[in-house]
Amino acid sequence: DTAVSQTPKYLVTQMGNDKSIKCEQNLGHDTMYWYKQDSKKFLKIMFSYNNKELIINETVPNRFSPKSPDKAHLNLHINSLELGDSAVYFCASSPDLHNTDTQYFGPGTRLTVL
Amino acid sequence: QKEVEQNSGPLSVPEGAIASLNCTYSDRGSQSFFWYRQYSGKSPELIMFIYSNGDKEDGRFTAQLNKASQYVSLLIRDSQPSDSATYLCAVLFSGYSTLTFGKGTMLLVSP
Repeated sequence: DTAVSQTPKYLVTQMGNDKSIKCEQNLGHDTMYWYKQDSKKFLKIMFSYNNKELIINETVPNRFSPKSPDKAHLNLHINSLELGDSAVYFCASSPDLHNTDTQYFGPGTRLTVL
Repeated sequence: QKEVEQNSGPLSVPEGAIASLNCTYSDRGSQSFFWYRQYSGKSPELIMFIYSNGDKEDGRFTAQLNKASQYVSLLIRDSQPSDSATYLCAVLFSGYSTLTFGKGTMLLVSP
């Protein structure tokens, strides 16, 4: 069984469009994250949620809006996509905010904005 | 300022050699340090974490931490071609609840 899953795996779209990426974890974890990995492989935290509540927003443009309907799901909606949004987006989860050593990553969503 | 520095590489070693990967970080008060391995096109996976000064061994992997020098390293003994990947150093800075990653070091192990 997949611990952290993301859909879609690949997303190709035009500038200006709106798109969503979905993430689900079946580990019973309280904390979930979104990371962005750019073309130079730099992995940077975007958001963290704990029990559906936003904990961290690392100066991400407000075109990015995460939503957590329950603690097993953390979706990412992106409005007005720009070329610079092209990257691989990883979802991750950990048992809680204080157990980041057991952080599990999803397979990633490769977003290409044309 | 939270900074984690790694040499981007590639670090090339022959099969069977010891690969040494290094990482420095900006906050002396940090307590938790992690090494992730990322194969091309795949997601990062945790291979080691270390909290205390000194060495921590797990199979062919040894993590070394020197808090006074703000330095953490990963040694891979008997390197195999399957170890070829990018190795990401991550630090949990004091006062923060999320990891800060370095840009990673690409390791190439040649047969």
